[in-house]
Amino acid sequence: AQSVSQHNHHVILSEAASLELGCNYSYGGTVNLFWYVQYPGQHLQLLLKYFSGDPLVKGIKGFEAEFIKSKFSFNLRKPSVQWSDTAEYFCAVIATSGTYKYIFGTGTRLKVLA
Amino acid sequence: NAGVMQNPRHLVRRRGQEARLRCSPMKGHSHVYWYRQLPEEGLKFMVYLQKENIIDESGMPKERFSAEFPKEGPSILRIQQVVRGDSAAYFCASSPDPSETQYFGPGTRLLVL
Repeated sequence: AQSVSQHNHHVILSEAASLELGCNYSYGGTVNLFWYVQYPGQHLQLLLKYFSGDPLVKGIKGFEAEFIKSKFSFNLRKPSVQWSDTAEYFCAVIATSGTYKYIFGTGTRLKVLA
Repeated sequence: NAGVMQNPRHLVRRRGQEARLRCSPMKGHSHVYWYRQLPEEGLKFMVYLQKENIIDESGMPKERFSAEFPKEGPSILRIQQVVRGDSAAYFCASSPDPSETQYFGPGTRLLVL
């Protein structure tokens, strides 16, 4: 069965620190990969996605993620975080065949200290 | 193009009452998904619907919960005889294709007293 693991549940960083949030999935077939962000009190918004092509994808607000197929990973990175990046981040995976059910990770709460 | 709309945004019910949550997908989207979010538990898939059909309801409790997406009108998530444990944020998402990006609504926060 598909599953998604986000190993960091809570992360606290100071402004300007670098960020890397881990996401690993288990599925043997082809997948589409997503990172969503949920700012306090708001709904989920897409940060970036990977379907095919260059495994390094760039999203909004300076975020990027790298798909490493051999490691079943899709880690999210940002070189220098800002206070406004305080939010919860969700990794999601969907198989490109079958029932197309999105599987979300449990989320990582990021708090950036000013 | 309006985004995904959900109403009500907040809903208070007493134990035993019914809760009806509505979701209008983005224009042109025929795939709708419902999720439940509990504090510290992330987002849990409940049900995936396409117009007039339930495609996958594996995440939905077998009793008291039902969902529909009629040919005309919004998708409805219905919870009968609510209990305190049903208190959560319920998010709806829609997509133009099942493998594509899902666009989320603002959620309905249900509080059961």
